[in-house]
Amino acid sequence: SQQGEEDPQALSIQEGENATMNCSYKTSINNLQWYRQNSGRGLVHLILIRSNEREKHSGRLRVTLDTSKKSSSLLITASRAADTASYFCATDRDNSGGSNYKLTFGKGTLLTVNP
Amino acid sequence: DTEVTQTPKHLVMGMTNKKSLKCEQHMGHRAMYWYKQKAKKPPELMFVYSYEKLSINESVPSRFSPECPNSSLLNLHLHALQPEDSALYLCASSRSGLAGAGEQFFGPGTRLTVL
Repeated sequence: SQQGEEDPQALSIQEGENATMNCSYKTSINNLQWYRQNSGRGLVHLILIRSNEREKHSGRLRVTLDTSKKSSSLLITASRAADTASYFCATDRDNSGGSNYKLTFGKGTLLTVNP
Repeated sequence: DTEVTQTPKHLVMGMTNKKSLKCEQHMGHRAMYWYKQKAKKPPELMFVYSYEKLSINESVPSRFSPECPNSSLLNLHLHALQPEDSALYLCASSRSGLAGAGEQFFGPGTRLTVL
């Protein structure tokens, strides 16, 4: 079953507004990552937060992680039209005896930032 | 060089054809991955190579055959594909030989159409 589930599935905002996307997962994790994908292109890594961290910042991005609720949120502040993309959370967990971790992606949120 | 390259960008093939997808990275990364992504869906892991050895095969049909000739190259050989195999095929690499752990760097993908 899917490890990560994002909501909302789609989000449309105006330039300058903040965008918040949420991700929930089902099993214990080592870390959680967020990726961005422009239409039909490869994914770009945005930020990684470890299971023992609660919050992390990178530029206009803020990620929180609540392992008790098995959830994470990605906040993009002061959004720009160039932020229009799909955003995926991805979790990894032990695939076999401590090695060969497998990265599993959530369903993604399609963010549209209108100029 | 901090990128993952993939060739070709687009590929159209018939169900009886044999073709190969190629992926290359020169970042010294020790794990490489193949993902399949259908439209409006998240990437799904197909294969993982760690230190040039196949470490994960996600029960992928044998018409897909991966190969890792050296630490910089990853191939995906295609034979007798079905129309439902049409998708974006993404290659990725990561620094650690602990496949999946940490940031993954993605190539731009090969858009495959099977007629």
